[in-house]
Amino acid sequence: DAKTTQPTSMDCAEGRAANLPCNHSTISGNEYVYWYRQIHSQGPQYIIHGLKNNETNEMASLIITEDRKSSTLILPHATLRDTAVYYCIVLKYSGGGADGLTFGKGTHLIIQP
Amino acid sequence: ETGVTQTPRHLVMGMTNKKSLKCEQHLGHNAMYWYKQSAKKPLELMFVYNFKEQTENNSVPSRFSPECPNSSHLFLHLHTLQPEDSALYLCASSQVGLAGGQETQYFGPGTRLLVL
Repeated sequence: DAKTTQPTSMDCAEGRAANLPCNHSTISGNEYVYWYRQIHSQGPQYIIHGLKNNETNEMASLIITEDRKSSTLILPHATLRDTAVYYCIVLKYSGGGADGLTFGKGTHLIIQP
Repeated sequence: ETGVTQTPRHLVMGMTNKKSLKCEQHLGHNAMYWYKQSAKKPLELMFVYNFKEQTENNSVPSRFSPECPNSSHLFLHLHTLQPEDSALYLCASSQVGLAGGQETQYFGPGTRLLVL
């Protein structure tokens, strides 16, 4: 699976949009971009995923660049409960079976009141 | 609530003890996973089970022994652990398609293990 690069930490004011970047310059054509987050000492929570089109769900939006080498997760109106470590993961969808996720260090997003 | 439960939530054990961690998924998935998260380290994949068959062992020491009796239950049997095995142990499940395409993994809350 392709490697990802994320900033170590970011701050965002409560109520503002939080934009979390991720670089995945070695991504291949059959690899999806997944985002998870982990609130302190809890299990990771799935947020959103996409292949090449932008995606939106009730939690967030995912913007993937046209060359697919980077993406941005957008939390439109951040709240204090969005403080967490956010992981960008690239994963083959069709790998012939179940594949584990490879987590990096992620971005520690801190929402400031 | 993700549909994946883990028990116990906290566990303290001595190095000579034998204990087991339990994971149960209520999502009808056919793949289950164990991950380990040590302090200040990224989550690490330990084991993968697909249709109850172990398909991946990520060079995990033999003092960790997984068991998957059916597609809804996953155990991690622990014996003669070391203090450095203290960590958060996370279980996850997902649905793998017949063509091999896999879908989102859902995680349990984890078991916080302390080895004395």
